Amino acid sequence: GAGVSQTPSNKVTEKGKYVELRCDPISGHTALYWYRQSLGQGPEFLIYFQGTGAADDSGLPNDRFFAVRPEGSVSTLKIQRTERGDSAVYLCASSLGTGKQSEQFFGPGTRLTVL
Amino acid sequence: GDSVTQMEGPVTLSEEAFLTINCTYTATGYPSLFWYVQYPGEGLQLLLKATKADDKGSNKGFEATYRKETTSFHLEKGSVQVSDSAVYFCALSQSGGYQKVTFGTGTKLQVIP
Repeated sequence: GAGVSQTPSNKVTEKGKYVELRCDPISGHTALYWYRQSLGQGPEFLIYFQGTGAADDSGLPNDRFFAVRPEGSVSTLKIQRTERGDSAVYLCASSLGTGKQSEQFFGPGTRLTVL
Repeated sequence: GDSVTQMEGPVTLSEEAFLTINCTYTATGYPSLFWYVQYPGEGLQLLLKATKADDKGSNKGFEATYRKETTSFHLEKGSVQVSDSAVYFCALSQSGGYQKVTFGTGTKLQVIP
């Protein structure tokens, strides 16, 4: 079946602009995660959804970042007033559940470049 | 907070050489430990995992043993292939609740023929 998909694959924007990044999880997966991977680093947790609600948004760096998952499936990560430091690959993952044995499946990521 | 430290790369090996990538962690309690792999142009994939002390995770010829006494989870493979060239990430998640994953910085492996 289809894996996690993310659109766009690449996004170039100018400092100060607003961007939206989309994630389509694997069908039936209730848990959804966003991570950010800066160049030369490992992914860093941003936010986790269980169903429609954000169960943990402790990784969001500041209030310019916001994510939604209104119907418990597709999620959108929204970044306002982008800064050059926001440039990174944004990864989405989904899992069937949240128990100890539940594997996270990652999408290919969206590479965001802020000029 | 939780953290993962892994050896820096890049690591360059000849085909059929033995591979070790060191990984140590700092965490409270009894986390689950993982190795993820990112092949060129592809997304992160789970390579192997171990959920309790002394467990050995294995997949595709790779192995790692959960050592609580040394807080380590070193990745090994007896004979690497060119197709193993990738970036490898050591990671952990706390048990219970959900699996927010904490990653190391990654180690790039290049295997030359």
